[in-house]
Amino acid sequence: SYVLTQPPSVSVAPGKTARITCGGNNIGNKSVHWYQQKPGQAPVLVIYYDRDRPSGIPERFSGSNSGHTATLTISRVEAGDEADYYCQVWESSSDQGVFGGGTKLTVL
Amino acid sequence: QVQLVESGGGVVQPGRSLRLSCAASGFTFNSYGMHWVRQAPGKGLEWVAVIWYDGTYKYYADSVKGRFTISRDNSKNTLYVQMNSLRAEDTAVYYCAGAALGSYAFDIWGQGTMVTVSS
Repeated sequence: SYVLTQPPSVSVAPGKTARITCGGNNIGNKSVHWYQQKPGQAPVLVIYYDRDRPSGIPERFSGSNSGHTATLTISRVEAGDEADYYCQVWESSSDQGVFGGGTKLTVL
Repeated sequence: QVQLVESGGGVVQPGRSLRLSCAASGFTFNSYGMHWVRQAPGKGLEWVAVIWYDGTYKYYADSVKGRFTISRDNSKNTLYVQMNSLRAEDTAVYYCAGAALGSYAFDIWGQGTMVTVSS
């Protein structure tokens, strides 16, 4: 089965840029979606199809995907961005959804 | 407003069954593929199952295949999952999530319902 690998944690100072990676075999050939989940809340879609933002998501959130790594970039990080972030793909060979293990973003 | 509301969670003994429901409102339910996603306490998200917008296709995670059955009633705007032969490792918050037609990005989520499998 397809595996997505994320770093368990990323720390960043307010106002700086956070980059959260999602590794997978030839993930650049797949569409990657990213979710933000705050404690006690349901996940929220923040990036879809590698780089598109749903309405209401700040422009500070951006995404890229190439080769074996997809990246969620959060610019000018704010305290309110502190959350768990998950990448997700659809594995068409098995018709199954796959999530990365999640990354806890800490704002210092 | 766009909303998904899960219900049916609770405490159940190992080997028993439970059915969860997810009521949709505020969007065109029959244009969405619907998924169940779960999250064990303190753990990450795990995809569980999908049913196509018209119910023609259903797919499952290996961990629940043969035990869980996903279904939908578009006339009632409701999604279901029948969970049989429950195990301790099925203990989790279960979320229903919707993905617009042709997409596998989950843009609508419910608030989740807790299922605890314990004797």
